[in-house]
Amino acid sequence: QKEVEQDPGPLSVPEGAIVSLNCTYSNSAFQYFMWYRQYSRKGPELLMYTYSSGNKEDGRFTAQVDKSSKYISLFIRDSQPSDSATYLCAIDTGRRALTFGSGTRLQVQP
Amino acid sequence: DVKVTQSSRYLVKRTGEKVFLECVQDMDHENMFWYRQDPGLGLRLIYFSYDVKMKEKGDIPEGYSVSREKKERFSLILESASTNQTSMYLCASSFVEGAQPQHFGDGTRLSIL
Repeated sequence: QKEVEQDPGPLSVPEGAIVSLNCTYSNSAFQYFMWYRQYSRKGPELLMYTYSSGNKEDGRFTAQVDKSSKYISLFIRDSQPSDSATYLCAIDTGRRALTFGSGTRLQVQP
Repeated sequence: DVKVTQSSRYLVKRTGEKVFLECVQDMDHENMFWYRQDPGLGLRLIYFSYDVKMKEKGDIPEGYSVSREKKERFSLILESASTNQTSMYLCASSFVEGAQPQHFGDGTRLSIL
């Protein structure tokens, strides 16, 4: 079983929709979770960083960790065409490098 | 803001050539990483370094080597380029303490003909 799994999409939504992006992970001991956004022809940029379980909110973005289900989510409210990108979850699995999901491509239609 | 700079955005090389990809970071980070990114496969770790002259193999090190002579610079070397090494290469850096987020460069799209 992969340590981190992510639905590759693509996901297409109309402007203004609520978007839910998800990852599952294999080990309940993992504690640090991140979301990156990657625009086309650019490197990933850090969007959200959460520790342990619960929610973290930043503007239109909410990161949620459910440790009992080993499930992490990123919600985008009032989605905009500028949110069109690939979103990658990343988890600190105990080695120095992060372990990344394969990324979900999101398209927000105007 | 952290800046990770990769020397080339696009590179075209021939099979059998020795290829150097360079990365520089300006935040005094101890850790530096090289990934390749392919459609459907996500980011795969090639090598990382946690100090000058120190390196560790990642998940797919075969056909690659690295060099870290200075703290701010991390080089990826394709010893004898092959067509299956055509990919997007991403460099990243982070602090060493705890679980630190990584900061990425904009990538080098490498084509091996």
